[in-house]
Order: sequence, then C-alpha cells, then structure tokens
Amino acid sequence: DAKTTQPPSMDCAEGRAANLPCNHSTISGNEYVYWYRQIHSQGPQYIIHGLKNNETNEMASLIITEDRKSSTLILPHATLRDTAVYYCIVTLTGTASKLTFGTGTRLQVTL
Amino acid sequence: EPEVTQTPSHQVTQMGQEVILRCVPISNHLYFYWYRQILGQKVEFLVSFYNNEISEKSEIFDDQFSVERPDGSNFTLKIRSTKLEDSAMYFCASSELAGALKETQYFGPGTRLLVL
Repeated sequence: DAKTTQPPSMDCAEGRAANLPCNHSTISGNEYVYWYRQIHSQGPQYIIHGLKNNETNEMASLIITEDRKSSTLILPHATLRDTAVYYCIVTLTGTASKLTFGTGTRLQVTL
Repeated sequence: EPEVTQTPSHQVTQMGQEVILRCVPISNHLYFYWYRQILGQKVEFLVSFYNNEISEKSEIFDDQFSVERPDGSNFTLKIRSTKLEDSAMYFCASSELAGALKETQYFGPGTRLLVL
C-alpha cells in the first residue's frame, strides 16, 4: 500500500471548515483513498473514500487532485464533536485488504 | 444503522491466562478483521477472515492467537496464554464484500484488555 503523509496536528474554530491534507505521492491506479477518524480510544469511524473523483457524503467532502498524489478531507462546519485523530489510508481494492494506519492528524476544534 | 458490537468492553486477566474477545459483525458482512492498538500507539492489523479461513495475518498474529466464527453471528479472537504486552484495545471490523463499493471496513467500539 502507498504511504501517506499527514500533518501531526491542526486547529479549527467551531463553525469553520476544517481542511485536512494528505500526501500519497506513490499511490497506484487501483488504490483508493480512505479517511477514518478516531475519537479518544473509540473504534475508528469510517468517513469517506474515493478513487479519483471528488466525493461528498453527509459527514465530509473528499477532494483528490487530478494526479491523485494528494487529497483533502473537508469538514464543512466543524463542531467540538469533530475533535479527533483523522487518518488518511491508501489501500488496494477488490481484495479486502488490511488497513494500515499511520499516526494521522490530531484535529482540535475550539470555541 | 447496523453496527459492529464487541464484548466485553473491558477485560482484566492474569498473565498466562486465556482470553476470548467476542465480536458480532454487521449481519450481511462476509469479511472480518481484528486490529489492536497499544496505548499511545498506532492501530495495527492482526488478521482478516473470510469463508471460515484466515485470509491474511500480520507478524503480531503468532501461534498464541486464533480466530473463529463459531456460529452465524459471532467472530472471536482467542489469546491462549496472555502476556503483559498483549495489553491493548482490540477492535473488530467487518466489511460486506471485496470490491470497491462494498469493502469499507466498519469498526466496533473495542475491548480494552489489561494483562496483569
């Protein structure tokens, strides 16, 4: 699986958009970008995933650059409950592959 | 919304004892996983399971570990003789199928295992 690089921490004011970047310059054509988050020591929570098109769901938007070497997770209106560690994971599809978690980005949402 | 459940939420055991951690995956899911997270460290893959067989396992998953699907709903992780370093949060996950749209893994809340 391709390696990902994320900033260790970010702050965001409540109500503002949180934009979390991820670099995955060695991603291959059949690898998806997944985003999960972990609040305290709870189980990782799935947020969104994509291959090359931008994606949006009720939680977030995922913007993937045209060359697929980086992506940005956008939480449009961050709340205090969005304070968590966010993981960007690149994984092969079609094989039920393991997820390889890095250290992620610790997002702190403040008043 | 369907979710993965795990029992117990906490388990304390003595070194050398056997423990069984239980998981109920989402009902129509066919792929099952165990991960662990030692306090302050990354989430680590242990094993994946499909069609009553291990699909993949990590170096951590040695002979002390085993997995089983004893019935149509439960998925278990057994540690035969626990060591102090097995103390961690253990997460179960499941996915519906292999295939881009259906292989998203959904995680349970975890079991915190403490080995004394």
